[in-house]
Amino acid sequence: DIQLTQSPSSVSASVGDRVTITCRASQGISSWLAWYQQKPGKAPRLLIYAASTLQSGVPSRFSGSGSSTDFTLTISSLRPEDFATYYCQQANTLPWTFGQGTKVEMK
Amino acid sequence: QVHLQESGPGLAKPSETLSLTCTVSGDSISSSIFSWDWIRQPPGKGLEWIGKLYSSGTTYHNPSLKSRVTISVDTSQNQFSLKLSSVTAADTAVYYCARVPGGGEFGMDVWGQGTTVTVS
Repeated sequence: DIQLTQSPSSVSASVGDRVTITCRASQGISSWLAWYQQKPGKAPRLLIYAASTLQSGVPSRFSGSGSSTDFTLTISSLRPEDFATYYCQQANTLPWTFGQGTKVEMK
Repeated sequence: QVHLQESGPGLAKPSETLSLTCTVSGDSISSSIFSWDWIRQPPGKGLEWIGKLYSSGTTYHNPSLKSRVTISVDTSQNQFSLKLSSVTAADTAVYYCARVPGGGEFGMDVWGQGTTVTVS
């Protein structure tokens, strides 16, 4: 199975901060990577697919980059509604796998 | 607007079979451009991908769950189902169904709200 390692596991930030989360794959996955946001008690929400394409309706402060084994999710200016847990997910090889998650907390 | 809704018993006994259904509305489960997935999340933990149903009827499940997983479809009801046999406390989780456009390159774009299953 392809392992996805996210870092950091948690980050404390303030409204307006720039936040960057990384996701490293144990082997190359081209651009078959998606990012999700999950708030407590809610289902995950797709933010970005194909490593860098913003899902319809997702604010432009979210962006993704990377290919092969190294990927990043950036929130350019954190808003109160962005405090949540973020997961990366690969769809290059079955079984699909998720990163362990990164919790963005209020400083 | 497509909507997915999971349903099933919230409680299962150890060694029994857990059965869940995902009802799809606003889209045809037979559409060739989508596959349909199951994902779960144990309390306080991350997401685990369980398996998928292709429009052809072919299924694939995570080998980590060994042969305990069965995914099936009922096109007449526009539903797909998950059966997980020989459950233990480790199978306690929120179970989600999700829609997957294309081959996965577009992510899992629509999710159900999730259903909590406790094994006890």
